Amino acid sequence: TQLLEQSPQFLSIQEGENLTVYCNSSSVFSSLQWYRQEPGEGPVLLVTVVTGGEVKKLKRLTFQFGDARKDSSLHITAAQPGDTGLYLCAGFTTSGTYKYIFGTGTRLKVLA
Amino acid sequence: EAQVTQNPRYLITVTGKKLTVTCSQNMNHEYMSWYRQDPGLGLRQIYYSMNVEVTDKGDVPEGYKVSRKEKRNFPLILESPSPNQTSLYFCASGYRDRGHYEQFFGPGTRLTVL
Repeated sequence: TQLLEQSPQFLSIQEGENLTVYCNSSSVFSSLQWYRQEPGEGPVLLVTVVTGGEVKKLKRLTFQFGDARKDSSLHITAAQPGDTGLYLCAGFTTSGTYKYIFGTGTRLKVLA
Repeated sequence: EAQVTQNPRYLITVTGKKLTVTCSQNMNHEYMSWYRQDPGLGLRQIYYSMNVEVTDKGDVPEGYKVSRKEKRNFPLILESPSPNQTSLYFCASGYRDRGHYEQFFGPGTRLTVL
């Protein structure tokens, strides 16, 4: 069974601080996505990375796909209270099936 | 408005009473999927569909059925619900982009099985 481990599980930081969330697996994925989920709502797609080593930036958020396509990271610069939420990574497999494997999530709280 | 809708949003039922949770999307997406979200376990894929009449199992399909007779609808059927199926369920639809699918999630259905 493919697994995606996210760390840390919980993170509480002050406004203005930087943080990094990690998503690791022993399996290779054809692509990896990051989502953010607010309480009572469905996850919202932030970004998809496809190529090993790929880096994508979305304002203060930087996403990186590992060279071997087994891991990914999300870095937030100068976090703001509006960044508070549950961050989920999801790997997509295409070897015989077309499934998404989600990580267990990182719950981020940014304090003003 | 482009969206994925699920009904009902909340449901309390009893063990063994068949139920269906509907999912509909208006974006003409080929890919549709059902997930359950449980504390500490994250989101787990139940079933997915690549297109009409094409469905396949995700990681936790036991106790669930799906059908894809029309492109826009992907109902989730629990023939004989049990308490361990108490969970928050999400439907998603997606379009293909460079070998993966950009997914859009519905608002969720909170199911309690007594």
